[in-house]
Amino acid sequence: EIVMTQSPAILSVSPGERATLSCRASQSLSSNLAWYQQKPGQAPRLLIYGASTRATGIPARFSGSGSGTEYTLTISSLQSEDFAVYYCQQYNNWPALTFGGGTKVEIK
Amino acid sequence: EVQLLESGGGLVQPGGSLRLSCAASGLTFNTYAMSWVRQAPGKGLEWVSSISASGVGTYYADSVKGRFTISRDNSKDTVYVQMNSLGAEDTAVYYCAKGRDWFDPWGQGTLVTVSS
Repeated sequence: EIVMTQSPAILSVSPGERATLSCRASQSLSSNLAWYQQKPGQAPRLLIYGASTRATGIPARFSGSGSGTEYTLTISSLQSEDFAVYYCQQYNNWPALTFGGGTKVEIK
Repeated sequence: EVQLLESGGGLVQPGGSLRLSCAASGLTFNTYAMSWVRQAPGKGLEWVSSISASGVGTYYADSVKGRFTISRDNSKDTVYVQMNSLGAEDTAVYYCAKGRDWFDPWGQGTLVTVSS
């Protein structure tokens, strides 16, 4: 099983600031990585797949990067609606899909 | 717009069974793989099971293999998961989602509580 480790667990950011979330895999993913956003009481929403491709309707302030075992989700200028929990998920070792433990982005 | 609507959740005793359904609309259902992902209260996301577009291929997490069965009825645009031998560790919100690599979109989820 590929273990996904997200850091930090909690990220405190002021509105308008940049947020950088990290996701590390226990083995190389060949960019087979997705990012999701989940707000309280809601289902997750796909943000990024293929490590860097934004899903339909996702604002350009969300960007994904990385390769191998290290990946990053960057939110360039945090809006109020961006405060949420973010999860990474690997699909390189299909069908043994695994998620990271999540990063909560909270208002500083 | 693709919409997924789960149903069938509820309270079940340990060792019991439950069948969840997910009705899809707004897509050509029989061309997409479908999946179930669960989230225990206050916890992260866990992939549970996926099924190919035709229904021939089925895949399971080790934690549910042998207890859960995924299926689909392409004439009804619906995917199911039959859950047997349920334990407290299966208590979670169960989400239906389109796709087998990444998941998009997700349904609103249905809560399964396993308790005596």
